[in-house]
Amino acid sequence: NAGVTQTPKFRVLKTGQSMTLLCAQDMNHEYMYWYRQDPGMGLRLIHYSVGEGTTAKGEVPDGYNVSRLKKQNFLLGLESAAPSQTSVYFCASSYSFDRVSTDTQYFGPGTRLTVL
Amino acid sequence: QQQVKQSPQSLIVQKGGIPIINCAYENTAFDYFPWYQQFPGKGPALLIAIRPDVSEKKEGRFTISFNKSAKQFSLHIMDSQPGDSATYFCAASKTGNQFYFGTGTSLTVIP
Repeated sequence: NAGVTQTPKFRVLKTGQSMTLLCAQDMNHEYMYWYRQDPGMGLRLIHYSVGEGTTAKGEVPDGYNVSRLKKQNFLLGLESAAPSQTSVYFCASSYSFDRVSTDTQYFGPGTRLTVL
Repeated sequence: QQQVKQSPQSLIVQKGGIPIINCAYENTAFDYFPWYQQFPGKGPALLIAIRPDVSEKKEGRFTISFNKSAKQFSLHIMDSQPGDSATYFCAASKTGNQFYFGTGTSLTVIP
């Protein structure tokens, strides 16, 4: 199993450009998450999904959109990138069949995004 | 508002020392308290976790101490090794709900 994979690993954007980050998991997990990690601020939840076709806002959703069209994929979109969105983005997934086993989140390797 | 407060921000210990990282939370509904370890360029990985029905949990050289009345929990690393040098994050959640992470502690173990 590959676990959680993220594409791309690195990206540089100019202000105003758009892009999509792809997260894929092969563990048949129900829940998927997008976080951003900034120095001194830990991991902050952007959006999450509790199942195919569902999404919900986290702590810092502004400027981002997400879609979960397939259970194994969770896409994070930036419609008009801003320098404040320069960060490392992590995707995670967890299993939720009985709503008790959601607890362990498995993280991808991250995407380092720079917005100039 | 920071749901989980973590300290210290950074920590340097000698090999064999026992670094201690502390976290405090406010929401008494939280019932799951994991610690994640992150190496440079990698995603966080679950290290050890505890639920509030026990006051201590050990896995190898890693121990979580939990104080429900004080709403605090801490990570102790026994006989620390240079390979333990990493960033450690505490987190808290109510089962089935989102995690709230601390701001992280950068640990350096000097040989």
